[in-house]
Amino acid sequence: AQSVTQLGSHVSVSEGALVLLRCNYSSSVPPYLFWYVQYPNQGLQLLLKYTSAATLVKGINGFEAEFKKSETSFHLTKPSAHMRDAAEYFCAVSEGTNAGKSTFGDGTTLTVKP
Amino acid sequence: GAVVSQHPSWVICKSGTSVKIECRSLDFQATTMFWYRQFPKQSLMLMATSNEGSKATYEQGVEKDKFLINHASLTLSTLTVTSAHPEDSSFYICSARKDRYEQYFGPGTRLTVT
Repeated sequence: AQSVTQLGSHVSVSEGALVLLRCNYSSSVPPYLFWYVQYPNQGLQLLLKYTSAATLVKGINGFEAEFKKSETSFHLTKPSAHMRDAAEYFCAVSEGTNAGKSTFGDGTTLTVKP
Repeated sequence: GAVVSQHPSWVICKSGTSVKIECRSLDFQATTMFWYRQFPKQSLMLMATSNEGSKATYEQGVEKDKFLINHASLTLSTLTVTSAHPEDSSFYICSARKDRYEQYFGPGTRLTVT
C-alpha cells in the first residue's frame, strides 16, 4: 500500500522568498515520486520526478526536490517565488511494479504575495 | 512532447441522460490510460485504469455500470457517465501513460448535471 501526506494545505510566501512544500510518503516498495502543479480548471503538469536515480531532482520552472529515504520525504523547494507560481501543488507516489497508478496527496495551495 | 487532450472541456446535461468524455493521446500511443475525478479544492481520486483492448479495472467503490470505460485504440479512451445525476457533477481528468514512470494529464472536463 502507498500513501502521501502533504503538510500544510495552504502556504503563503512573498514574491522572491523561498518556497517549501512538504511531502511525506509511505510505500512498501521503493517508490517513484512526483510533484505536479495544477492551475485553475486545468489538468496536472509534471514539475519533476524521482525514479531511483539522483536523490536531488531538478524540475521545470526552477523547482527542485530531494528524496530522503530516512525521513520518507520528498519536499519541493524553489529559491525565489514568482507570482506565476501561485497554484495548487500535488505530491504523488507510485510503486515501481505498477508505475502510473499513482496515489496523490491532498494538495497544497501556494499563494504568492507581491 | 506528450500531449493529451480531452473533449469536451465543459458539458452540462440533464439528470438521467448519459455523457461521453473522450481522452486522446495526440503524439504517442498509450496502452494504459487512467480516469480521475476531482471535487472542488480536493485531490484526484483514481476511478479506473483503462487498458487498450481489454476491460477497465475499477477502483473500489466506483460503479463500473455507471462509469463505462472503453479503450478501443492506442490513442483513445472514453468515459461514459450513464444516467447522470447531480452528484456526478465533478471535474474529470484523464491521463495517459507514455513510459514506465510518467503519465501525462489531459486538461480535464467539467461536468455539471442539472
